[in-house]
Amino acid sequence: LAKTTQPISMDSYEGQEVNITCSHNNIATNDYITWYQQFPSQGPRFIIQGYKTKVTNEVASLFIPADRKSSTLSLPRVSLSDTAVYYCLVGTLSGSGTYKYIFGTGTRLKVLA
Amino acid sequence: EAGVAQSPRYKIIEKRQSVAFWCNPISGHATLYWYQQILGQGPKLLIQFQNNGVVDDSQLPKDRFSAERLKGVDSTLKIQPAKLEDSAVYLCASSDQNEKLFFGSGTQLSVL
Repeated sequence: LAKTTQPISMDSYEGQEVNITCSHNNIATNDYITWYQQFPSQGPRFIIQGYKTKVTNEVASLFIPADRKSSTLSLPRVSLSDTAVYYCLVGTLSGSGTYKYIFGTGTRLKVLA
Repeated sequence: EAGVAQSPRYKIIEKRQSVAFWCNPISGHATLYWYQQILGQGPKLLIQFQNNGVVDDSQLPKDRFSAERLKGVDSTLKIQPAKLEDSAVYLCASSDQNEKLFFGSGTQLSVL
């Protein structure tokens, strides 16, 4: 299973773009990258997932270089409500045909006014 | 669409007592996961079900933890007997065909 490494914490100001980079050097061919957000006293919530290149949705963008050994979550124009823990996960296909997800320690993002 | 339901929301027990948590996944989701999240850490996978079969329970402390998913829908996670280090939030998640995980709000367990 690919282990992920990401910064423990980051601070940003409202309105700025935030980029959180995750390394996953042991990613396998069938693995894909997914990011989750977690607020206190809540379960993690899906943000975005991708396999390669760039993926964009209404809340974030995900950049994955050709070697797929890292990925960068980009949050445009953050607000105070984006203060949360962000987890980078690598989904690994198991023998049963389902994906297994291992969480790392996450990045604690604090958005300042 | 209804989300993943978990109960109870909070539970306080004394060490050596037993406790059970319940999870109702999103309708139609075949895969169900139980995670343990200790304060300040990321969720740790305890067990994964595909329908009513166990896919992965390599991280489940089987001397005290057990889980079942009868009929491939609801699931229960039991701890017997509880230890102080079992204090954590227990999260249930289910996944759709796109493998996106949907989490419940969790059960916060305090073992005194």
